Amino acid sequence: KAGVTQTPRYLIKTRGQQVTLSCSPISGHRSVSWYQQTPGQGLQFLFEYFSETQRNKGNFPGRFSGRQFSNSRSEMNVSTLELGDSALYLCASRRMTGYNTEAFFGQGTRLTVV
Amino acid sequence: SQELEQSPQSLIVQEGKNLTINCTSSKTLYGLYWYKQKYGEGLIFLMMLQKGGEEKSHEKITAKLDEKKQQSSLHITASQPSHAGIYLCGADGGNAGNMLTFGGGTRLMVKP
Repeated sequence: KAGVTQTPRYLIKTRGQQVTLSCSPISGHRSVSWYQQTPGQGLQFLFEYFSETQRNKGNFPGRFSGRQFSNSRSEMNVSTLELGDSALYLCASRRMTGYNTEAFFGQGTRLTVV
Repeated sequence: SQELEQSPQSLIVQEGKNLTINCTSSKTLYGLYWYKQKYGEGLIFLMMLQKGGEEKSHEKITAKLDEKKQQSSLHITASQPSHAGIYLCGADGGNAGNMLTFGGGTRLMVKP
């Protein structure tokens, strides 16, 4: 069974640009969550999608958005990039939404904003 | 909001030694997850604990959720260099949706 696939693995962008990251969950999993990891703030929740609907959102500006497709694949978009957006972005795949279901993470996308 | 505190923040042990990492929550834990992360890479799922007093083991790693469900411990027996990495505990908020709150992590080094 394939794991969670995130693409691309590495990305370098310039301030002011926008970026789109992709996450393919484990087959049969319908929930995808996104997290930002930085040395200063640790792992922080961005948002969750389940059945193409955003279920929950963390405390991030509107520049961070996402969507989920009918095949459960999800994309995350960051517009007007700032230096502080440099981070490891991780997505988590779960069979269902709600708590007490195992969450499996992808390898992450390392975004560097210059 | 829920906060998770991990201790110690870092740990250096000699190969073959046992060690314990703790995760303490400011609120009742509805689900507690343990992950391992190699620097700059994704999180590897280790275990999920749900019930107070529950204990799970995988190879030489054992995790337990205390009866009051506000603390969990991760114990590694006879540590090996392959155990090195960052260990993270994560918790469900108990609300609708899928948000996990994470502790700050414990960086483990195992000296051969």
